Amino acid sequence: LAKTTQPISMDSYEGQEVNITCSHNNIATNDYITWYQQFPSQGPRFIIQGYKTKVTNEVASLFIPADRKSSTLSLPRVSLSDTAVYYCLEFSNDYKLSFGAGTTVTVRA
Amino acid sequence: GAVVSQHPSWVICKSGTSVKIECRSLDFQATTMFWYRQFPKQSLMLMATSNEGSKATYEQGVEKDKFLINHASLTLSTLTVTSAHPEDSSFYICSAPTGTTEAFFGQGTRLTVV
Repeated sequence: LAKTTQPISMDSYEGQEVNITCSHNNIATNDYITWYQQFPSQGPRFIIQGYKTKVTNEVASLFIPADRKSSTLSLPRVSLSDTAVYYCLEFSNDYKLSFGAGTTVTVRA
Repeated sequence: GAVVSQHPSWVICKSGTSVKIECRSLDFQATTMFWYRQFPKQSLMLMATSNEGSKATYEQGVEKDKFLINHASLTLSTLTVTSAHPEDSSFYICSAPTGTTEAFFGQGTRLTVV
């Protein structure tokens, strides 16, 4: 059973910012919040991970409030190639990852 | 970054035959690896945990005698689908944690049983 909840789908246009919010209602104290991207017929690809506050890398930003009950993945200036399924996950000490349905992001020209 | 490689990328087999899928960690050692299955338009479902030097642990509802897992070295885990049937056709994906707070996935193996 998935631990997280996120929107099923989101549509956007090239050049826009896409924000996907995930609920972590029962996240454990030691768990990290991790986001993956998956293209059709490929394995998931790590995007970003954080524990609290804000993390930024070359492809995305991750915002986590103090209560850690939610997280928001921000994709700046998306392009057509960002069309994919995005998963938010809680990474625990046993390394098991429980995938929810993910958010299908469709970027249009 | 860490790399996990699966082989083959795709395979077609006849019903009743067995198929072996390999998962390798290329630049790090993995005492634990995970096997997932993904049906079309669905999410990844964890099948089993592969443990180096010991038996794999299977998730509820996964037949251990049908999905044989061997983790003979710190860089290789294999999943063998025995007596495959069309309903076993799926996308199989392995992952390996790096020992920190990251896990990397293989590129997946598309199995089609005809």
